[in-house]
Amino acid sequence: DIQMTQSPSTLSASVGDRVTITCRASQSISSWLAWYQQKPGKAPKLLIYKASNLESGVPSRFSGSASGTEFTLTISSLQPDDFATYYCQQYDSAWTFGQGTKLEIK
Amino acid sequence: EVHLLESGGGFIEPGESLRLSCAASGFTFTSSAMSWVRQAPGKGLEWVSTISGSGGHTYYADSVKDRFTISRDTSIDTLYLQMNSLRAEDTALYYCAKTRGGVQDSWGQGTLVTVSS
Repeated sequence: DIQMTQSPSTLSASVGDRVTITCRASQSISSWLAWYQQKPGKAPKLLIYKASNLESGVPSRFSGSASGTEFTLTISSLQPDDFATYYCQQYDSAWTFGQGTKLEIK
Repeated sequence: EVHLLESGGGFIEPGESLRLSCAASGFTFTSSAMSWVRQAPGKGLEWVSTISGSGGHTYYADSVKDRFTISRDTSIDTLYLQMNSLRAEDTALYYCAKTRGGVQDSWGQGTLVTVSS
């Protein structure tokens, strides 16, 4: 089974900051990596698919990149609406989520 | 607009069975793969099962294999999850999600399953 390791588990940042969340796959998953945002009491929302493709309607301050088995989600300038928990997910072989990164207000 | 409405959750004792339903609208149900994803209280997301658009291919997490069965009824645009031999660790909010190209691009609001004696 493919394991996904996200870091950090918690991230404190301020409005306007540039933040990066990392996800590492235990083996090659090509670019079959998605990122989701979840707010308390709400369903997850797809942000990025195939490592770097922005889902329709998602603000352009969100971006994704890949290097081998390491993937990053970057928010270029944090907005108040961005404080949430973020999950990566591989879908190369079945589906596996990372453990999540909670983005908190500093 | 895609709309997914889960139902069927509840409080149930270990070893018993439950069937979840997800009524879909706003898209071509017969063309879309569908998935169930769960989230235990205060925990992260866990993929449970996926079914292809045709229903001919099904996939399960190891944690539910041989206990859960995913199915769909295209005549009424409804997805199901039959859950047997339920355990305390199956306690979670169960989300239904439309699956496009492998990713879950639309989600319902979830139905809560609590397994406890």
